[in-house]
Amino acid sequence: DGGITQSPKYLFRKEGQNVTLSCEQNLNHDAMYWYRQDPGQGLRLIYYSQIVNDFQKGDIAEGYSVSREKKESFPLTVTSAQKNPTAFYLCASSSGQGYQPQHFGDGTRLSIL
Amino acid sequence: KQEVTQIPAALSVPEGENLVLNCSFTDSAIYNLQWFRQDPGKGLTSLLLIQSSQREQTSGRLNASLDKSSGRSTLYIAASQPGDSATYLCAVGGRGSQGNLIFGKGTKLSVKP
Repeated sequence: DGGITQSPKYLFRKEGQNVTLSCEQNLNHDAMYWYRQDPGQGLRLIYYSQIVNDFQKGDIAEGYSVSREKKESFPLTVTSAQKNPTAFYLCASSSGQGYQPQHFGDGTRLSIL
Repeated sequence: KQEVTQIPAALSVPEGENLVLNCSFTDSAIYNLQWFRQDPGKGLTSLLLIQSSQREQTSGRLNASLDKSSGRSTLYIAASQPGDSATYLCAVGGRGSQGNLIFGKGTKLSVKP
């Protein structure tokens, strides 16, 4: 079955540590997105990528970094510069054409040790 | 800047009742509007996508309407069931936004048996 796989499901970060969240899709979608969700809040866009080797900052990119070396993969690194990283992180993808529905993974919950 | 508001924040209804969830947005220059469902600790599932040129979309017991001029959308759920209990999120895709979505904070629905 086609879909989006996020790993790990739960992740813990120590002070000063960078952590990387994985997102893989087998939908052959061009566009991929990272969102952050805080309790009782809507999703906020961190980064997005329309094509391989290109990505753009979203509304809350500070303290995060991404890469898009392969069409199917869009990892997100939460750096030590992100002072409030505790949140639920969701990855999504779409065909990028005609603004098709975005498909979402099951998320990674990041907490601070 | 586009803002999306969902009212009510929470709703509890008895099984079998028809119900309406509301979504409003401040900038009517949208490309599309999507309704998503989110179960606790899970990712988002796309329910309905309405393009800006459309007035409504239907899928099974769900019907979503769009009135761009007034900046409103409604999600109608017929004959609600306990399995419909979840958080429902409304998201707006803006023109030129490369498929990025602006989300409301959601309506948490509880359907009591």
